[in-house]
Amino acid sequence: KAGVTQTPRYLIKTRGQQVTLSCSPISGHRSVSWYQQTPGQGLQFLFEYFSETQRNKGNFPGRFSGRQFSNSRSEMNVSTLELGDSALYLCASSSGQGVISPLHFGNGTRLTVT
Amino acid sequence: QKEVEQNSGPLSVPEGAIASLNCTYSDRGSQSFFWYRQYSGKSPELIMSIYSNGDKEDGRFTAQLNKASQYVSLLIRDSQPSDSATYLCAVNSNFNKFYFGSGTKLNVKP
Repeated sequence: KAGVTQTPRYLIKTRGQQVTLSCSPISGHRSVSWYQQTPGQGLQFLFEYFSETQRNKGNFPGRFSGRQFSNSRSEMNVSTLELGDSALYLCASSSGQGVISPLHFGNGTRLTVT
Repeated sequence: QKEVEQNSGPLSVPEGAIASLNCTYSDRGSQSFFWYRQYSGKSPELIMSIYSNGDKEDGRFTAQLNKASQYVSLLIRDSQPSDSATYLCAVNSNFNKFYFGSGTKLNVKP
């Protein structure tokens, strides 16, 4: 079974630009979660989508948004990039049904904002 | 108070020793608990999950859960240099809402 696929792996953007990250979950998984990871803050939860609906949301500004498509693939968008948005963005999928289903992470997208 | 607390380390152990990693959580309603290993520059990898009180063993890894004390631990027996990584404790409190600790960095010295 193929794992979680994130594209692109690396991105370099300039302040003020916007960026879109993509995530394809494990086949059959209906839940996709997004996390931001920085050395100082650890893993910070952005949001979770299940069956095209945002089910959980973290404490990030509205510049961070996401969506999920009918095939469970998900995209995350960050508008008006700031230097502090430089981070590793991780997507994780799970079946989303029942508390015993763990998260499976993709390789991440490393975003650098200059 | 953070939902999940871990000692950031680094925890240094000699090769062949037992490494003991600990985690506490705040929500008594938490139902599932996970340990992830993350190598530098890589994404977290699931290594253990535990749902009921007691011990769960998988190879060199043993997860321990004590819900009364709100405590989860991971023991790594016969530690190898390849086990050197950051270990993240994760708790699923509500339906698919995961909380992660900040991670414990483990160094296994040859």
